[in-house]
Amino acid sequence: GNSVTQMEGPVTLSEEAFLTINCTYTATGYPSLFWYVQYPGEGLQLLLKATKADDKGSNKGFEATYRKETTSFHLEKGSVQVSDSAVYFCALKKADSWGKLQFGAGTQVVVTP
Amino acid sequence: EAQVTQNPRYLITVTGKKLTVTCSQNMNHEYMSWYRQDPGLGLRQIYYSMNVEVTDKGDVPEGYKVSRKEKRNFPLILESPSPNQTSLYFCASNTHYGTQETQYFGPGTRLLVL
Repeated sequence: GNSVTQMEGPVTLSEEAFLTINCTYTATGYPSLFWYVQYPGEGLQLLLKATKADDKGSNKGFEATYRKETTSFHLEKGSVQVSDSAVYFCALKKADSWGKLQFGAGTQVVVTP
Repeated sequence: EAQVTQNPRYLITVTGKKLTVTCSQNMNHEYMSWYRQDPGLGLRQIYYSMNVEVTDKGDVPEGYKVSRKEKRNFPLILESPSPNQTSLYFCASNTHYGTQETQYFGPGTRLLVL
C-alpha cells in the first residue's frame, strides 16, 4: 500500500539556520506530493505541492523537489524564522483517487531566537 | 471567504454518550472527508464522501458514522464514544476527481472521552 515516512522530530533550530525535513514515499503509479503545515492551535494549510517527477514546489521560502528515482520530497528552507515554528506533514495523493491524502507522522520544528 | 467550519472546537464527554461533530464547507465541493490526528501517526482518514448520499470507509472507520444529506454538510457521529477515540479531528473538502486540487481543512475539533 501507499505510505509516507518523515524524519522524526522535534527539530530545534536557531533563527536563520537552514532547515531540511526528509520525506520518502512508497506508492504505485505517479502520486501527487504535498507539504502541509500546522501552526499551533490551527488546522492544516497547504504549504506547497508537486504533481509530477522533477517538479519543484515552492512557497514562503520553502522548496521541495519531486524525486521519483529516490521516491523523495524533502522540504528545505534556507533561513528559518521564529514564525516557521510548526508541525510539517508530508503527504501523497494517488492520481486516481478522489481526495484521500496519505500523511506522514509529522515533524515538529521549533525555531529559537 | 472559502472555508471549512467545524463545531464544536473542543469537547469533553463520557464513555457511551452519543455525540456529533458538524462540518460545513461553502465551496460547493463534492468530496469531503474526516481525519483523526494522533501523535506519531499523522492524520488518518476515517470516512469520506464523494457526493450527496455517497459515503465510504477510510482507513480507521470503526466506531464512527457519517451522513451526507446535503452537499455542504458532512457530520461525524460517534454513537458510543470510547476513550480510544480521544483525538484531534479534522474535516476536509476538495473538488475534481483525479486532479491535484488542494484540500481545504477545517480548524479541528479536539475531543476528550473520559
